[in-house]
Amino acid sequence: NAGVTQTPKFQVLKTGQSMTLQCAQDMNHEYMSWYRQDPGMGLRLIHYSVGAGITDQGEVPNGYNVSRSTTEDFPLRLLSAAPSQTSVYFCASSLTIGPGYGYTFGSGTRLTVV
Amino acid sequence: DAKTTQPNSMESNEEEPVHLPCNHSTISGTDYIHWYRQLPSQGPEYVIHGLTSNVNNRMASLAIAEDRKSSTLILHRATLRDAAVYYCILAWGAQKLVFGQGTRLTINP
Repeated sequence: NAGVTQTPKFQVLKTGQSMTLQCAQDMNHEYMSWYRQDPGMGLRLIHYSVGAGITDQGEVPNGYNVSRSTTEDFPLRLLSAAPSQTSVYFCASSLTIGPGYGYTFGSGTRLTVV
Repeated sequence: DAKTTQPNSMESNEEEPVHLPCNHSTISGTDYIHWYRQLPSQGPEYVIHGLTSNVNNRMASLAIAEDRKSSTLILHRATLRDAAVYYCILAWGAQKLVFGQGTRLTINP
């Protein structure tokens, strides 16, 4: 199993551009989520999904859009990139939505907005 | 949100046991205690989790106080590869993990 795969690993965007960060898992996990991590800070939840077709907002959802059309994929869209969105983005998945299961994280996408 | 309190940093020596403390005095009966670690330039890695009883796996042990207001992650024999930031997190309901600042663990050769 590959686990959680994130692409690209690095990206530089100009202010105002849009892009999609890809996240795929091959573990048949029900729950998927996106976090961002800024220098010296912990991870903050952006959006999450409890199954195909179901998404909800986390702590910092503004400027981001998500959809979940399949169990495997959970892309994160930046609608109009801003310098404040410069960060490292992590995708995570878990077998189910209950708190009794651990998360598997991807290796991250390092995004710079200039 | 239920909060956890961890020391900002700890230091230990290679091949010695490490005890990482976590206080969670406002924990509720349905909160699970999760531990993750993050090595430099990597994504967080699941370590262990538990509800009431002590737990062991190949990576570590989790000791939970009887009143559940604190817990300790135990690395039995630290290696240089265990140098990381360790996060103690309470998970509940739809399991929206809320990360704090964690404990930065340094391992001396």
